[in-house]
Amino acid sequence: DADVTQTPRNRITKTGKRIMLECSQTKGHDRMYWYRQDPGLGLRLIYYSFDVKDINKGEISDGYSVSRQAQAKFSLSLESAIPNQTALYFCATSGDRAYNEQFFGPGTRLTVL
Amino acid sequence: KNQVEQSPQSLIILEGKNCTLQCNYTVSPFSNLRWYKQDTGRGPVSLTIMTFSENTKSNGRYTATLDADTKQSSLHITASQLSDSASYICVVSAQAAGNKLTFGGGTRVLVKP
Repeated sequence: DADVTQTPRNRITKTGKRIMLECSQTKGHDRMYWYRQDPGLGLRLIYYSFDVKDINKGEISDGYSVSRQAQAKFSLSLESAIPNQTALYFCATSGDRAYNEQFFGPGTRLTVL
Repeated sequence: KNQVEQSPQSLIILEGKNCTLQCNYTVSPFSNLRWYKQDTGRGPVSLTIMTFSENTKSNGRYTATLDADTKQSSLHITASQLSDSASYICVVSAQAAGNKLTFGGGTRVLVKP
């Protein structure tokens, strides 16, 4: 887990606020991902990036944007937070193109009031 | 639509006992299947990964099986310990678009002394 870090770990914000979640990795992986986890549901992919110049939408990208500032950094932004974006957010990395084995960060618990 | 379903949603077992978790999937074309362990408040950590040609794989007291014909997998925990209390997530990778992952909703296991 220490190889993939996320900040903040917990955040409470209000509807309409802009929020940025940050992810850093020291694994040297090219691929980075953002997921959200809701109770009882599987993780769902928000955005992913195969390198600094490659950004792709996942299955639930509406209301989110990302920035790949460097190979090691991948940020997720909520431009105008809404209550149904309350969830656990996970960043993951992968350096394995054959199996796409992913390594997850510790997560950010976001609450939008 | 690719789907992964897990059962049961939760279970309680006594320390020292065995248990088996189930996973059914409809992901196509299949690439590999992995089981993750997610402790409360932490990111998922990989336990096993199996390709089409593998039908069993062990990691200590965890043994995963795969039947690619029936599209079913199981995770068997032997001689459970209190530290096994966690959510166990079945994840299937499709052979397309960078091996995207489909996550099951998880089985929450509680081991009681």
